[in-house]
Amino acid sequence: ETGVTQSPTHLIKTRGQQVTLRCSSQSGHNTVSWYQQALGQGPQFIFQYYREEENGRGNFPPRFSGLQFPNYSSELNVNALELDDSALYLCASSWGYEQYFGPGTRLTVT
Amino acid sequence: SQELEQSPQSLIVQEGKNLTINCTSSKTLYGLYWYKQKYGEGLIFLMMLQKGGEEKSHEKITAKLDEKKQQSSLHITASQPSHAGIYLCGVRGSTLGRLYFGRGTQLTVWP
Repeated sequence: ETGVTQSPTHLIKTRGQQVTLRCSSQSGHNTVSWYQQALGQGPQFIFQYYREEENGRGNFPPRFSGLQFPNYSSELNVNALELDDSALYLCASSWGYEQYFGPGTRLTVT
Repeated sequence: SQELEQSPQSLIVQEGKNLTINCTSSKTLYGLYWYKQKYGEGLIFLMMLQKGGEEKSHEKITAKLDEKKQQSSLHITASQPSHAGIYLCGVRGSTLGRLYFGRGTQLTVWP
């Protein structure tokens, strides 16, 4: 158990809808990163939040946005969902170099 | 961007056998991470290597970092069914906390 939790576990949405995924980081970790993992692929970095500000972004469009709260928990928001957004979404919290992942949210877009 | 090549893509071994998984980077390694993932689940942190020549072990799993060759290897001794899963290597990018991952190695251990 890493102490990183994510909700919901599974989610089914329709193309064009919006979705919010949540992540609670491990106690004491002030940095949260979000990754998208398509089937059969390694995780792809979406963005990272440090002390409530975005601190690095991967090759994802602006319809992927996020927030980090004072307690270091975080949200990932995806607008105008597309079929290709179907994936496992992982958050990871870190303090320094070691990074610990949550169990993920499986998003299916139909 | 950093590219990681893992080999083999999949591995099927009999319980009790030793095995090695390799990870090769297209660029200089600054921090190499090994994770294990059960299908559809989160990543379990195994170990992190930072210095050339560094070697770490956890139970029956040993990982080594060869900085000159830009490679890391993960070795499992006397494999067990509990070792089955997907092994992912990741390297740290310029943004602290950003990891680039390989596609993973699917390990099956049959009794």
